[in-house]
Amino acid sequence: NAGVMQNPRHLVRRRGQEARLRCSPMKGHSHVYWYRQLPEEGLKFMVYLQKENIIDESGMPKERFSAEFPKEGPSILRIQQVVRGDSAAYFCASSPPNHSGNTIYFGEGSWLTVV
Amino acid sequence: GENVGLHLPTLSVQEGDNSIINCAYSNSASDYFIWYKQESGKGPQFIIDIRSNMDKRQGQRVTVLLNKTVKHLSLQIAATQPGDSAVYFCAEVIASGGSNYKLTFGKGTLLTVNP
Repeated sequence: NAGVMQNPRHLVRRRGQEARLRCSPMKGHSHVYWYRQLPEEGLKFMVYLQKENIIDESGMPKERFSAEFPKEGPSILRIQQVVRGDSAAYFCASSPPNHSGNTIYFGEGSWLTVV
Repeated sequence: GENVGLHLPTLSVQEGDNSIINCAYSNSASDYFIWYKQESGKGPQFIIDIRSNMDKRQGQRVTVLLNKTVKHLSLQIAATQPGDSAVYFCAEVIASGGSNYKLTFGKGTLLTVNP
């Protein structure tokens, strides 16, 4: 049973370009979370999605960031017109339906570097 | 602001010693608390959780203690090994209606085990 799969693991973008990060949840999981981690910082919540539905996006920056979790395919975190401050590790986590909060599992992360 | 924080940013111990990592929280409505271990370049790995109606929970070489009176959480690692070297995060699980749960992370404690 594969874990949460994220790709790419490492991504380099020039300022102004777009970054797309993908996340495939564990089998049987229908909830996806995105977190951002700056160097030597904790993980900051960004967005929580179910299939075709955004449940909570209270941690998403107002501009340039968007997330989706379509009926088919992986969840996508999209960052438009990247700036150097977007350089961070982006972690995806998934959980099964009707979970009680203690079955949230993380992927290995996508490291975005903006040059 | 953060609801979860850590007392000690770094902890250095000798192999074989016991380690204690502390965490403070401020949200009394949390249902679960979870400890995660994060090795360099990897995603957070679930270690152990404790429900808010419990005071203590033991796992393999790890024990989590919850003191709701002072809103304090600790992770004890027995007979610490070099492989335990990592950053440890406590996370607060907060229910938000139905099956909506979020994790709020503290900044993390870097544990270094000296051989």
